[in-house]
Amino acid sequence: AQSVAQPEDQVNVAEGNPLTVKCTYSVSGNPYLFWYVQYPNRGLQFLLKYITGDNLVKGSYGFEAEFNKSQTSFHLKKPSALVSDSALYFCAVRDLGDYKLSFGAGTTVTVRA
Amino acid sequence: DAGVIQSPRHEVTEMGQEVTLRCKPISGHDYLFWYRQTMMRGLELLIYFNNNVPIDDSGMPEDRFSAKMPNASFSTLKIQPSEPRDSAVYFCASSFFGYEAFFGQGTRLTVV
Repeated sequence: AQSVAQPEDQVNVAEGNPLTVKCTYSVSGNPYLFWYVQYPNRGLQFLLKYITGDNLVKGSYGFEAEFNKSQTSFHLKKPSALVSDSALYFCAVRDLGDYKLSFGAGTTVTVRA
Repeated sequence: DAGVIQSPRHEVTEMGQEVTLRCKPISGHDYLFWYRQTMMRGLELLIYFNNNVPIDDSGMPEDRFSAKMPNASFSTLKIQPSEPRDSAVYFCASSFFGYEAFFGQGTRLTVV
């Protein structure tokens, strides 16, 4: 079975400060990892993915994430947050060979001006 | 491509009525997923298709729910009869070869 944990329901940061959203996962094999963002009354938008290769993955809107196999983590980061980054962020995982995506509960990010 | 298209965006229906949600995936994508989002349960996978064939429907909550994909460009999720606890946002998503899924805008269903 595969699962994702996002330990923080909410993250609050000031504009211009670094933003980190935490994610840990559990799979039986090799993980495929994803981050999505959801704005109010909208669908989920794909930000970035880790399939294989370099542990540091760069994605849309200046976001990046670091895959850490030993800690089974895939934290999302942005060096300098913007007010417009305020949204709900989801981490997702699927196991190699299984096409079901399992999502975390989501983390609400609020960036204050 | 216009992305994944879902209709309707909003649906309000009375308990006991049949509800049909529609989805047009991105052209060329071979996987299609139906998810349900609620505050209490988060995002739940209901069913997914590969090349129009249902692969896993273990997330479908009850026999009242059914999904079809008659061709590569169209899928439906039907609830009959609907109940108030079915109120949620239903998302359709599609992907190529099971990589990143692209989501539609969702259908907000309210059953009164």
